[in-house]
Formats: sequence, structure tokens, C-alpha cells
Amino acid sequence: QKEVEQDPGPLSVPEGAIVSLNCTYSNSAFQYFMWYRQYSRKGPELLMYTYSSGNKEDGRFTAQVDKSSKYISLFIRDSQPSDSATYLCAMSHPNNNAGNMLTFGGGTRLMVKP
Amino acid sequence: KAGVTQTPRYLIKTRGQQVTLSCSPISGHRSVSWYQQTPGQGLQFLFEYFSETQRNKGNFPGRFSGRQFSNSRSEMNVSTLELGDSALYLCASSAGGVGNTIYFGEGSWLTVV
Repeated sequence: QKEVEQDPGPLSVPEGAIVSLNCTYSNSAFQYFMWYRQYSRKGPELLMYTYSSGNKEDGRFTAQVDKSSKYISLFIRDSQPSDSATYLCAMSHPNNNAGNMLTFGGGTRLMVKP
Repeated sequence: KAGVTQTPRYLIKTRGQQVTLSCSPISGHRSVSWYQQTPGQGLQFLFEYFSETQRNKGNFPGRFSGRQFSNSRSEMNVSTLELGDSALYLCASSAGGVGNTIYFGEGSWLTVV
């Protein structure tokens, strides 16, 4: 079993829909949670960063972390065709030796249709 | 402020050869990490360098190696290339502290034939 699980999709939604993307994880030591967006043949772009449990909002994006359930979510409001990409969750823990080692989910491919 | 720069962007190598990839981190960042991305395995951590020292290493064979220079620029090398090494190799940069945000470059696409 992988440390971080993510539904690969593809997830197809109409323009303007609310999108919900999710990851589950098994390592309770994870405390830093990130969402990256990756367009085809491009590097991952950092979208959201949260520490420990709670919600964080940035424009159309909301990230939620539920450490008790080992579950994180990314919500996209008013989705646009330009949001079509692969969304990757990533996480790390504060062990000093871990430095900046991220553990990624497999990514969810999102398609927003006009 | 310039982002993470990786060179070359695309390259094709023959099985058995070796390859060196280069990464220039964001100015002021002291940590450089390398990741391999393949359709089957997703994004996997290779290693991280901080202040010219390898701080962490993933589960890859010794054919994969790296180094970091005093100006924080980093290189990774893959020797005796195998077909399975075909992948997108991503470099990531951060200030280096625990929990610092991590930024990725556009990657180097390696095809081994």
C-alpha cells in the first residue's frame, strides 16, 4: 500500500462546477500538506500549502486537512477549462532529517469542459 | 525573481551511456531536491542536497548520484542508463528549513533508447 493514495481519474466536469480532489495517507507524522498543479509536459506548480489540520482559502481554491482521518482535499470553485491539468497532493513531516523530502500521491487528472 | 532552471530540457541517450542533468535553484535557496516522474510510479524522491551535503536519499540504485556546488547549483548523474530510466527528472528548490515551500523546475525529459 502506498503512503499517499489519490484517485487517478480522469475527472470530467462542466465549466463552472465545483471540483473536489482528495488524498488519503497512512503516515501520521505528515504535517505539511501541499497541492501542486501540473500541465502536460510541464513541472508541478505549487497551488496551496497548509500546515497541520484546518482550512486555507486562496481565490477559487480551498485546501482542507483532516489529520484525524488522514484525509486532505482541494476544492476548486467556478472551474475553468484552464484548470484542466493533473493535480498532485504532496506531504512531508517535520523530522529534521527529512529536510524537504516530499511524498506524492499519484495525481488526479482533471478535465473541465466548456 | 527567476524560478528553478533545469537544463537540458530534452535529451535522448542510448542504453549503457551516462547522463548529467543540471539545476539552478531560486536565488537564495540552499536546498535542491531531485525527483523522477514516470507514468507507472509517479513522482519519486531521488535525493536532496543542502549546503553541498546530501541530506536525504530515496530508494534508487547507486547509478543515480548527485552533487551540489557552493553556489547551490546542483547536478545529477545517471550512469549505465537503462530503458527504465526514461522519465521526467524534476529539480525542486527551497530555502531548506523544515516546512519551507518547495518549487519545481520544468524538468528534463530523458529518453533512453
